[in-house]
Amino acid sequence: ETGVTQTPRHLVMGMTNKKSLKCEQHLGHNAMYWYKQSAKKPLELMFVYNFKEQTENNSVPSRFSPECPNSSHLFLHLHTLQPEDSALYLCASSQESSTPYEQYFGPGTRLTVT
Amino acid sequence: GQNIDQPTEMTATEGAIVQINCTYQTSGFNGLFWYQQHAGEAPTFLSYNVLDGLEEKGRFSSFLSRSKGYSYLLLKELQMKDSASYLCAVVDSNYQLIWGAGTKLIIKP
Repeated sequence: ETGVTQTPRHLVMGMTNKKSLKCEQHLGHNAMYWYKQSAKKPLELMFVYNFKEQTENNSVPSRFSPECPNSSHLFLHLHTLQPEDSALYLCASSQESSTPYEQYFGPGTRLTVT
Repeated sequence: GQNIDQPTEMTATEGAIVQINCTYQTSGFNGLFWYQQHAGEAPTFLSYNVLDGLEEKGRFSSFLSRSKGYSYLLLKELQMKDSASYLCAVVDSNYQLIWGAGTKLIIKP
């Protein structure tokens, strides 16, 4: 148990649907991250929140919209996705993002866009 | 651009030793992480190196040479449960993690 939970674990959605991914960390950390993991590709950092403030948005399409209501919760709102968005979406947390603390990952949400 | 290179796949025998290499070219360096990821599971932290040299932690050791932009992860007395992907990640000057694509390690009996 890593202390970071994600729901749902699997999600199949059509291109016109709207859905949200949820992440919760129970480690008292101040930074949270969304990553996209595609087969045989490096982890792609999508968004970073440090003390609830978004500090990083790596040119992610607007069909992905993050929300961080507090230091323990992170959401990724999805709408009008494309088939190439099918991937494993990982949430992670760390003490903070401005120093190289290790990141703790959730189990991920396997997203399939049909 | 920033780049992390590691072999795509390696095969080793149970009980043996395997070395997984990682070379990097990044804008600045603030440390290097190794993570283990079993299929269908979350990556988990293995090691962090910021100074040159070898760090040993049980059956796993990690080495860093900053002048060569090079690290390796050494796994001894391999067990079947070590079958996993091993991810190398470098912390750049902006404290952002730059990830390699991972090395899939297959252990055979």
